[in-house]
Amino acid sequence: KAGVTQTPRYLIKTRGQQVTLSCSPISGHRSVSWYQQTPGQGLQFLFEYFSETQRNKGNFPGRFSGRQFSNSRSEMNVSTLELGDSALYLCASGGQSETQYFGPGTRLLVL
Amino acid sequence: GEDVEQSLFLSVREGDSSVINCTYTDSSSTYLYWYKQEPGAGLQLLTYIFSNMDMKQDQRLTVLLNKKDKHLSLRIADTQTGDSAIYFCAERENYGQNFVFGPGTRLSVLP
Repeated sequence: KAGVTQTPRYLIKTRGQQVTLSCSPISGHRSVSWYQQTPGQGLQFLFEYFSETQRNKGNFPGRFSGRQFSNSRSEMNVSTLELGDSALYLCASGGQSETQYFGPGTRLLVL
Repeated sequence: GEDVEQSLFLSVREGDSSVINCTYTDSSSTYLYWYKQEPGAGLQLLTYIFSNMDMKQDQRLTVLLNKKDKHLSLRIADTQTGDSAIYFCAERENYGQNFVFGPGTRLSVLP
């Protein structure tokens, strides 16, 4: 079974721009969660989608949004980028079990 | 709110045992997890334990859970240089609820 894939792997943007990140979960998994990882704040939960609906949401501003498609693929969008948005964005896939499996992440640098 | 704490650094000699500790605050936590993150990579699920278990062993890994003290530990026997990584403890109250991660413990294995 293929693992969780995230695209792109690396991205450089400038302040004020917007960005869209993509995540394809493990085949058959219906849950996709997004996390932001920074050296200062650690791993912070952004949101989770299950069957195209947002099921849980973390404490991030409205500039961070996401969606999930009928094939369970998910996208995360960040608008009006700030320097502090530079981070590793991790996607995790979950099936009918208690576990989450992570992708390799997208490293975003905002200049 | 829920909180998960870990010591930030641990250094051991190759061949020794490593013990990484974690405490959590949510007494409703049902699932507790250990993940490993190598440089530049996503998180790899190592093992997990249900709250009704005291111990789980998987090859070189032993997880101990003290539910009364809300303390979780991960013991790595015969630690190797390839075990050098950041280890994250995480908890989840129930299926369908989000994961809460600790700050991670950076394990350094010295030759």
